[in-house]
Order: sequence, then structure tokens, then C-alpha cells
Amino acid sequence: QLQLRESGPGLVKPSETMSLTCTVSSDAIRSSNYYWGWIRQPPGKDLEWIGSIYNSGSTYYNPSLQSRVTISVDTSKSQFSLKVTSVTAADTAVYYCARQLGSGTYFDYWGPGTLVTVSS
Amino acid sequence: ETVMTQSPATLSVSPGESATLSCWASQSIRSNLAWYQQKPGQAPRLLLYGASTRATGIPPRFSGSGSGTEFTLTISSLQSEDFAVYYCQQYDNWPTFGQGTRLEIK
Repeated sequence: QLQLRESGPGLVKPSETMSLTCTVSSDAIRSSNYYWGWIRQPPGKDLEWIGSIYNSGSTYYNPSLQSRVTISVDTSKSQFSLKVTSVTAADTAVYYCARQLGSGTYFDYWGPGTLVTVSS
Repeated sequence: ETVMTQSPATLSVSPGESATLSCWASQSIRSNLAWYQQKPGQAPRLLLYGASTRATGIPPRFSGSGSGTEFTLTISSLQSEDFAVYYCQQYDNWPTFGQGTRLEIK
């Protein structure tokens, strides 16, 4: 059973950069069949896709966040990471990592999520 | 951006009955639609993709239909564990989600 788990600071100050890592069980991250994505959900609100990455490092992002977001992958560690720059209170959310079947499709395995609060 | 709209926002149904949830796309997304179930404090769980194909382990009481811009999720013989929030997501272009329908016990 594939498992994903998010990790990173739960509290970030406004204007700083937020960094999260998703660790994937097994060698699935090296598979040619999948992309790996980040999705967030502000408390009590809707889901928002942030961006996705392939094991080669190819990425695509939500156009509304693209200027502040970078996703990277380290296949040797079975991890992929998210950085969001210049955070504000609007970035406060539960951040999920998930597996995506191919580019631009649905998400079939999700991590449990991690809450990131932006506050001074 | 393809905007996804779900209706109703909240649906109250008794256990054992059926529930029908709707999802509309602002432009045609062919059959590139997925449905998810989310319970409090948990990650979303994939139910259906391709508008009507059940994901692994999803019971047959969950069914989906539609194509183009109008889609439906039907849950028959509601069980206690089915009361949750349901989201649709299109993937015809960069992924976007609906605002969710809360299915509550009547």
C-alpha cells in the first residue's frame, strides 16, 4: 500500500518562505506512470491544486500561484518538496501531497495532510 | 480556468435512502472528472474517475454519470460512513475542484 507523508514547519511568519517535503514509500516516485502533486485546503474552505512534478523534474503549476511556488524532486530520497515564497495569512491551510496518475489527471493516493499557519 | 460548481451545498438524507449530487463545469471537460469523499480531519479519498469508473475498493453503491459540462454522483442505500463532504475535480486542463457538497444525516 503506497503511503505519502508531509513534513515541515507548522508555523511560518508572514513574508517568509514556506517549505514542505513529501516522503513517498517504496520506489514509486521513480515510476514512469505518475506525477506527484501538492494540494491545499484553507480551514473550512475548498481544495486548491498548487502544482505537480514528474520524476524527471518536469513541473506544472496553478497559474494563480506560479510566481511564488517551486516544486522539486529528489528520487534518491523518494521525496518531493514544495516552496512558497512571500507567504501571507491567505496561505494558511492544510497542505496535502498526492499521487497523480499521469500529467493533469486525478489524485489516487493522498498523504494525511499537514497544517501550516502563517502568523507572526 | 475551468470553474466547477456543485449543488446543493448541503444535502440531508436518511440512511438507507439514495443521494444525488451534481457538479457542473464552466466549459466542456469531456469525461475528465473525478469525485472524492472527505471526512473531518482526513484527506480526500478518490471515489470515481473518468466520470463513472470506480476507484479500487469503492463499493458499487457509488456511481457516476455525465459528460461535457454536467455530472452526477449517486450514492444508493446510504450507510452511516457515507455522510461526509464530496468534491468533484476536473482534469481536462489544470486541475480544479468544486466547492463541495456536505451530505448529512436527516
